Amino acid sequence: EPEVTQTPSHQVTQMGQEVILRCVPISNHLYFYWYRQILGQKVEFLVSFYNNEISEKSEIFDDQFSVERPDGSNFTLKIRSTKLEDSAMYFCASSDGQRPQETQYFGPGTRLLVL
Amino acid sequence: TQLLEQSPQFLSIQEGENLTVYCNSSSVFSSLQWYRQEPGEGPVLLVTVVTGGEVKKLKRLTFQFGDARKDSSLHITAAQPGDTGLYLCAGASYSNYQLIWGAGTKLIIKP
Repeated sequence: EPEVTQTPSHQVTQMGQEVILRCVPISNHLYFYWYRQILGQKVEFLVSFYNNEISEKSEIFDDQFSVERPDGSNFTLKIRSTKLEDSAMYFCASSDGQRPQETQYFGPGTRLLVL
Repeated sequence: TQLLEQSPQFLSIQEGENLTVYCNSSSVFSSLQWYRQEPGEGPVLLVTVVTGGEVKKLKRLTFQFGDARKDSSLHITAAQPGDTGLYLCAGASYSNYQLIWGAGTKLIIKP
């Protein structure tokens, strides 16, 4: 069964450093998403991406964040100058974009720890 | 701002009992998904409900979407220890593709 994969599974970085989180969405899906979940809190939407551009972003997704689809399979989230409060699980998801059944399939997540 | 309220936040019951988890909102959703999440892992999709009043069954799990598409419930019959986990509901709106998430119900089934 097709699945979303993410690498790395864990990332530890120093405050101020840049990190890139990688995702391989399900191959025939058209919409890609990043969510984060701070420990003990709700899953929060960050950004959605379609047709090689951002279609929506939340207030969390400020200039510190960027997304890219560098090739036909990968979807990346870059966090510039990480802050302590960026520590969270980051989930990538993808969907085929067919309404009304907006079903998103999630990867296993990357646990980011900023020290 | 769209919000999804899940209740209860925490539920601990004995194996064999029945339970219901609720997901409520004042907003209308185009669809609603239920996920299960294990610690340190990503949410795993259980079901998507699309039509108001829809009922879907997955073995001992019954999912219902409210007639007005504002609420949903998950009913588990004869709960088993393997049902232990965090159950999340997430709604999709008509105007965008982002999912609005509930805070989850942490379910523990004691043998």
